[in-house]
Parts: sequence; C-alpha cells; structure tokens
Amino acid sequence: NAGVTQTPKFRVLKTGQSMTLLCAQDMNHEYMYWYRQDPGMGLRLIHYSVGEGTTAKGEVPDGYNVSRLKKQNFLLGLESAAPSQTSVYFCASTSGAKIINEQFFGPGTRLTVL
Amino acid sequence: GDSVTQMEGPVTLSEEAFLTINCTYTATGYPSLFWYVQYPGEGLQLLLKATKADDKGSNKGFEATYRKETTSFHLEKGSVQVSDSAVYFCALSDGNAGNMLTFGGGTRLMVKP
Repeated sequence: NAGVTQTPKFRVLKTGQSMTLLCAQDMNHEYMYWYRQDPGMGLRLIHYSVGEGTTAKGEVPDGYNVSRLKKQNFLLGLESAAPSQTSVYFCASTSGAKIINEQFFGPGTRLTVL
Repeated sequence: GDSVTQMEGPVTLSEEAFLTINCTYTATGYPSLFWYVQYPGEGLQLLLKATKADDKGSNKGFEATYRKETTSFHLEKGSVQVSDSAVYFCALSDGNAGNMLTFGGGTRLMVKP
C-alpha cells in the first residue's frame, strides 16, 4: 500500500515550458486535491476533484489545468510555466464520505521555473 | 470566507520544554479542526483533529481543544523532544461540498537538545 505518490520529485523548467505532474493513490479515494506551498502562506488549494471525470477550481487555479480520467490518478498541468509558479506542489486524497476525514498527502514535487 | 491564523515562527525550545502553538479561526457554521505536521522533506500528515465544540484531539503527547467561544484550537505538548522538530499547520473544514481544507501559514518548531 503506497498511499499517495507524486511524480516527479523535482523539476526545473524555463519560462514558457509546459509540464504535467502526476498524482496516484491506491486507497480507492473519491476526492483528490492539488495544493501549492509557499513560504509563510501555508498550503493553498489549486484544483480538486470529487470523483472520476470531475474537477473544480480552488483558491488559486490560474495558470493550471487538471484532469481526473481515472479514479486513482489526478494530473496537474502547467501549459506555460512562469517564475511565479515556483513552489512545492502537494497532492492529497480523502475518502469523500459524509464524515470529514483526514486528507492523505503525497511527498511533494519541488518545481523551479527560471 | 474561512481563514486560519497561526502564530508565526520559528519557535525554538529546549528539549522537555512545554509547547503551545496558537491557532484561531474564522468560519461559518461548525467546522472540523485539524493539526497537521510536516517533517523535513516530507508531505503533511494528520496529527490530531476535533469535530465539535469542547472536543479534545490528542496524539503522540500533543493535545488541542476545540474552543468555540474563543474560536481557537491551540496545540500543546507538555515535554517536547528533538524529534518533534517540524512545521505544524492548523486547518479547518466547514463541510463544504469538496471537504476542502483551509490552512494556516504554518509554524516551524525547532527543539534543541
């Protein structure tokens, strides 16, 4: 049981390049989330999904797109990277039951945009 | 909208000292409250939670009590260890459709031997 995994762990991009971050979970969770973590600002929600084939915007969605084609995977895309997107990105998942359960986090992806 | 405010760090303590990290919140209704911990180089993991007023969450010697009258959820530990050095995040969920969490800015704790 690997929990939540993220690929890649580190990446350096040049301004204008594109990339996709992959999140996978093996806990059969319905809900999945993408956050970014910046110093002193905690974690801010980018996009989330409440089930396969569904996505919704979070607090800071601009410049990002997501897809949830399979229940276990949640992809985060940057079409044209900007230095302001330099951050640590975390994926999380939760069962989505009516009871508010804990979110399980991946180890993070450190992205630098030059 | 919802918000969570934590004391700014870093908090530097000697081993076996008493720890308090303050957390206050603003939310509609009756949110669930959480403390998450992030060890160096890792993702966040749940430390404890409380789902209604006057509930006390506890884990690994840490405690926090849901105080609705003061809208607070302060984290405490009686005797910290070097291994407790980490970043601590207070968070809430107000039962919205996506069970989304609102996080505070995080408090870095450094414990010296």
